[in-house]
This record gives sequence, C-alpha cells and structure tokens, in this order.
Amino acid sequence: DTEVTQTPKHLVMGMTNKKSLKCEQHMGHRAMYWYKQKAKKPPELMFVYSYEKLSINESVPSRFSPECPNSSLLNLHLHALQPEDSALYLCASSLSGTGGTEQYFGPGTRLTVT
Amino acid sequence: RKEVEQDPGPFNVPEGATVAFNCTYSNSASQSFFWYRQDCRKEPKLLMSVYSSGNEDGRFTAQLNRASQYISLLIRDSKLSDSATYLCVVNTPTSNTGKLIFGQGTTLQVKP
Repeated sequence: DTEVTQTPKHLVMGMTNKKSLKCEQHMGHRAMYWYKQKAKKPPELMFVYSYEKLSINESVPSRFSPECPNSSLLNLHLHALQPEDSALYLCASSLSGTGGTEQYFGPGTRLTVT
Repeated sequence: RKEVEQDPGPFNVPEGATVAFNCTYSNSASQSFFWYRQDCRKEPKLLMSVYSSGNEDGRFTAQLNRASQYISLLIRDSKLSDSATYLCVVNTPTSNTGKLIFGQGTTLQVKP
C-alpha cells in the first residue's frame, strides 16, 4: 500500500485566518515532504523532514510553519497568507530521507486565499 | 541551464502510436532517476524508476544514458488514458537528503 492521505481536500481562507493542513502515511517511511504546486508548473519543494527532524527549509516565508508530531504525521500551519499563496499543496513520503528513493504523493490540498 | 530539462510539448498522437519523451540533466553525479505521471488537477504518481540497464513495464520503457546525461521514456500502443503530463525527476547528489529536482513536464494528448 503506497497511500499518503491529506486533509482537507479544499480550503478557502482569508488573509487573517489561521489554518492547518494535515498529512498521514502508514508505510513506515522515515522522510516526509511538503511541496507547493502552481498551475502548469512542477512541484516546488518547501520542507523536508527526515526521522522527524526538519532537514530542509527551502527559504519558505515564516507564514508557513511545518510540524512533524511523529513519523506518520506531518502538518503545515498557515497564518496570514497572501493571495499568491493559492496553490495545490502536496505532501509526499519516502522510505529514506537520504536520497535516491521514490517519493509517494498524497492527493493534495487545493488552497485558495481570498 | 536548468538542472532537468524536458520538451514541454504538447505531443498530440493518435491511439496506438508510439511516442518517446526525452529529458536531460545537468549534474553528472546524479544517481537516481524517475518518471512520474500527473493528471490534470491530481497529484504526481510514480510511473517508474529508471535503472542503468534500462527497464520496461508493460508498454512503458525507460532508458538512461549516463554519458550523455539523458533519460528517455517510450510509450508503445498509446491509449487515451495515457493523456497526462510526464515529469522527469532526478535526485540531487550534493546533499544527503531526499531532495528531488523536477523537470517542467511533457504534456501528452492521445486522440481517438
């Protein structure tokens, strides 16, 4: 089973709201990722967690705050977003965080910031 | 030069056709290579990993040419359901992390 789940599927939020995106995997993978994808563009890496520790932050603005409560869960906390942050947010996981292994993506959360 | 380059297409082919996509990568030390498929408004799905000896999965064949830093994907007997964007993906060997570099994607439209 190569399933990564994400909630919610869709989210509309105002610029002053605080919301969270959730991601879960039960494949025993030790690395989890957040990506942002705009229309007709490839996914853009935001954060990498390896063995529950943040290993990569791709200079993401602080209005995005990741959290990894345990090896199966990954959250992305959102606060004071801008309309240009509207995008598909994808979570992925891989067996190892040391590179070279396949990443499996969740279905994504489609975020609209009004 | 982009780290991973693909022809964006679109490739418009009739059902039953054979179509090939190419991808070049800039870092000769890259070790892992993948093809992902992404349908409109869906997540990328792993199509196949690409091995040095080349590999085949049904109608799909992937090849790697390390000397030319070139990866290809061949689809035989195209089906309507093959219509999607195909992403060439390469790992970054310079960091001991799972960071992948995505090409811009090649769009395939299979027509009846």
